[in-house]
Amino acid sequence: NAGVTQTPKFRILKIGQSMTLQCTQDMNHNYMYWYRQDPGMGLKLIYYSVGAGITDKGEVPNGYNVSRSTTEDFPLRLELAAPSQTSVYFCASKGQGPYEQYFGPGTRLTVT
Amino acid sequence: AQRVTQPEKLLSVFKGAPVELKCNYSYSGSPELFWYVQYSRQRLQLLLRHISRESIKGFTADLNKGETSFHLKKPFAQEEDSAMYYCALSGPSGSRLTFGEGTQLTVNP
Repeated sequence: NAGVTQTPKFRILKIGQSMTLQCTQDMNHNYMYWYRQDPGMGLKLIYYSVGAGITDKGEVPNGYNVSRSTTEDFPLRLELAAPSQTSVYFCASKGQGPYEQYFGPGTRLTVT
Repeated sequence: AQRVTQPEKLLSVFKGAPVELKCNYSYSGSPELFWYVQYSRQRLQLLLRHISRESIKGFTADLNKGETSFHLKKPFAQEEDSAMYYCALSGPSGSRLTFGEGTQLTVNP
């Protein structure tokens, strides 16, 4: 199993541009998550999904959108990139119950 | 609202010394507590969770409901323990995790 994969690894955007961060898992997990990691701030939940077709906001959803059309994929969309969205983005997935979340390798995004 | 606090952003110890990473939480109910670790240039991974009561890589953590704490301990730190450590909390369903700010542990030779 590849686990949780994310693309791209790095990206530089100009202010106002848009992009989609891709996330795929091959563990047939129902739950999927998007976090951002900022120095000294820990991980903040952006959006999450409890299954295909169901998404919900986390702590910091503004400026982002998600969709979950399949169990495997959970893309994160930035519509109008802003410098405040410079961060490292992690995708994660989890099976049913209070169990371990499996994380992807992260995407380092810089908005200038 | 649920909240996790890790009071130390940076912690530095010498090899062979005991280490304790502090974690305090607030939650109205019975929480599930976890420690995640991120080694340099690697993805986050689960270190341990309180429901399994395991010792992983020599680390242990005890849930103290009276003090609402879940401190991570190791009696003899090793250089390979240098990493970022995150304490995290979820409700019984486990649908969402709330992370603390993280503690960067450095173990000096």
